[in-house]
Amino acid sequence: DTGVSQDPRHKITKRGQNVTFRCDPISEHNRLYWYRQTLGQGPEFLTYFQNEAQLEKSRLLSDRFSAERPKGSFSTLEIQRTEQGDSAMYLCASSWDTYEQYFGPGTRLTVT
Amino acid sequence: DAKTTQPPSMDCAEGRAANLPCNHSTISGNEYVYWYRQIHSQGPQYIIHGLKNNETNEMASLIITEDRKSSTLILPHATLRDTAVYYCIVRVYNFNKFYFGSGTKLNVKP
Repeated sequence: DTGVSQDPRHKITKRGQNVTFRCDPISEHNRLYWYRQTLGQGPEFLTYFQNEAQLEKSRLLSDRFSAERPKGSFSTLEIQRTEQGDSAMYLCASSWDTYEQYFGPGTRLTVT
Repeated sequence: DAKTTQPPSMDCAEGRAANLPCNHSTISGNEYVYWYRQIHSQGPQYIIHGLKNNETNEMASLIITEDRKSSTLILPHATLRDTAVYYCIVRVYNFNKFYFGSGTKLNVKP
């Protein structure tokens, strides 16, 4: 049973650097979601894909953030010119249509 | 999506039932109640969801009041591994995102 996987699990980067995270969803799931979670808060929605199409983006997703899901399978989330405020846990989830979402373990980003 | 109100923390003795309340007084007729939990440093885990009838699965039971303005998640025999933050979420079924809120930190004590 392979759930949602994310890579890397931890990333430390210096302010101004670019980072990219990868998410591999459950194989038969057609929807993929990205959330961000800061300490002590619940996850906040960033964006979602149905197959390869990015259908919704939160206003939290500034122009420094870009997400792709090129073949409708894995997805990448890139943050350009990182800032200290980008430090957070980045969570990926997948679902079949509108059924319940299954989350990965997250990538913890620390910007120094 | 309707907002939810949950107590910030609760304690429960190991082996006893844990009853986690959630208020969703502005819920609409087409909004479902979902429960997720997040164990420290892990991604959220789906527990259960329902519309208006009570639901039960291998993890928990969900009791929704008749007016649907509140619900209770019941873990029948809490273990130390159930220590987590529990999120109550209401969502229109075909909407795509969850609004998590701050949740309830459940501490299961030996």
